[in-house]
Amino acid sequence: QKEVEQNSGPLSVPEGAIASLNCTYSDRVSQSFFWYRQYSGKSPELIMSIYSNGDKEDGRFTAQLNKASQYVSLLIRDSQPSDSATYLCAVRQGGATNKLIFGTGTLLAVQP
Amino acid sequence: DAGITQSPRHKVTETGTPVTLRCHQTENHRYMYWYRQDPGHGLRLIHYSYGVKDTDKGEVSDGYSVSRSKTEDFLLTLESATSSQTSVYFCAISRTSGGESTDTQYFGPGTRLTVL
Repeated sequence: QKEVEQNSGPLSVPEGAIASLNCTYSDRVSQSFFWYRQYSGKSPELIMSIYSNGDKEDGRFTAQLNKASQYVSLLIRDSQPSDSATYLCAVRQGGATNKLIFGTGTLLAVQP
Repeated sequence: DAGITQSPRHKVTETGTPVTLRCHQTENHRYMYWYRQDPGHGLRLIHYSYGVKDTDKGEVSDGYSVSRSKTEDFLLTLESATSSQTSVYFCAISRTSGGESTDTQYFGPGTRLTVL
C-alpha cells in the first residue's frame, strides 16, 4: 500500500514565525507532489506543486523536495493567523494514472 | 475556482436508502474524481473517470457506483446507504492544459452526507 505520512499536529507557531510542515512518501517512482490548504468546513485548495528536487518559492510559501529521502516539505514564512488551517500533502502515484494519494494532514495554528 | 459544483451540499438519509450525489463541471475537463474525507483517514479516492463512460475504482469503492454519461457530470451512487458512509464527499477535476490532462487536481465545495 503506497502511503503518504504527515504529523497530524497541531503545529503551533507565533505570528511572524516560519512554519515548517513535513511529509514523507513510500512510492519511489512518484514524480509529482502537491500541497493543499484546507480551512475547517471547506474544500482543499491547491497551494503549490513541485516536481524537481530542491526548492520552489511562491510568495511566502516554499516547497522543498528530496526524492532520495522521499521527503517533501512546505515552509510558510511570516506566518499569519489566516494561515491557520490543515495542510494536506499529496503525491501522484507512479504510472500512467493521474491518481493522487493524500496524507491525513497537519493542523497549523498561528498564534497572534 | 475550477467551475465545479456539487449537489446536494448537505443530505441526511436513512440506512438502506439509495443516494446519488452529483458533480458538475463547466470547463470540459476529461478527468473527474470522487473522494471521501473522514477524520483520521484524510482524503480517499472512491472512483474516478477518464472520459465519458470510462470509469475505474479507487481504494474505497465498495458500496459505491459511478456514472458519467456526459463530460460535465459525474454521479456517485450509494445503492443502499450505511452509517459507515457518513462522510464528506468531494469531487475533483484534473485541469486540462494544451489538450492534455495535467496531474493537478482542483476540488469542488463538498457534500456532507449523514446516514442515520
